[in-house]
Amino acid sequence: DAGVTQSPTHLIKTRGQHVTLRCSPISGHKSVSWYQQVLGQGPQFIFQYYEKEERGRGNFPDRFSARQFPNYSSELNVNALLLGDSALYLCASKLAGETAAYEQYFGPGTRLTVT
Amino acid sequence: GQSLEQPSEVTAVEGAIVQINCTYQTSGFYGLSWYQQHDGGAPTFLSYNALDGLEETGRFSSFLSRSDSYGYLLLQELQMKDSASYFCAVRDQGSNYQLIWGAGTKLIIKP
Repeated sequence: DAGVTQSPTHLIKTRGQHVTLRCSPISGHKSVSWYQQVLGQGPQFIFQYYEKEERGRGNFPDRFSARQFPNYSSELNVNALLLGDSALYLCASKLAGETAAYEQYFGPGTRLTVT
Repeated sequence: GQSLEQPSEVTAVEGAIVQINCTYQTSGFYGLSWYQQHDGGAPTFLSYNALDGLEETGRFSSFLSRSDSYGYLLLQELQMKDSASYFCAVRDQGSNYQLIWGAGTKLIIKP
């Protein structure tokens, strides 16, 4: 079975531009979470979606938005990019949305560079 | 607020045992997880402790003391492939049960 997939793997954007990152969860997983990981730090939680509804939001500005589609894939959108948005963006899926489902499976990430 | 502290770097010898500590401060603790991440790779789940005590999975064990807000990951019979960053993460009720991550411990293994 395929794991979590993300696209693109690498992306270079200019300040002020917009970016869309995509994630496909493991088959059968209905929950998708997005994380931002700056070099040398742990992942920072951005969003969680379960059954197409937002279940959690981290401390990120409104420039960040996301959605989940009927097939449980997800998009993360970032508007008005800043240099500080340069990071590895990770998508993680798990079987369900409730707290008991603690084990997450991560995709390889999208490396975003903002110049 | 929520915070986790773990050493930034630990060095050990191949075949030895190493312990990576994690202390946390949360508004509503709900469980401690450990993840491994190789350079350029994605985090992979290692273990989860919701109750006090030791959980063993092969060469890796994880311990939790809720009264001390403390946990550790124990790696035995170290292999070169264990060279990676190790993150502790807590599921925090105050953050809507989302994972709050530590900054990670880089484990360097020498032959």
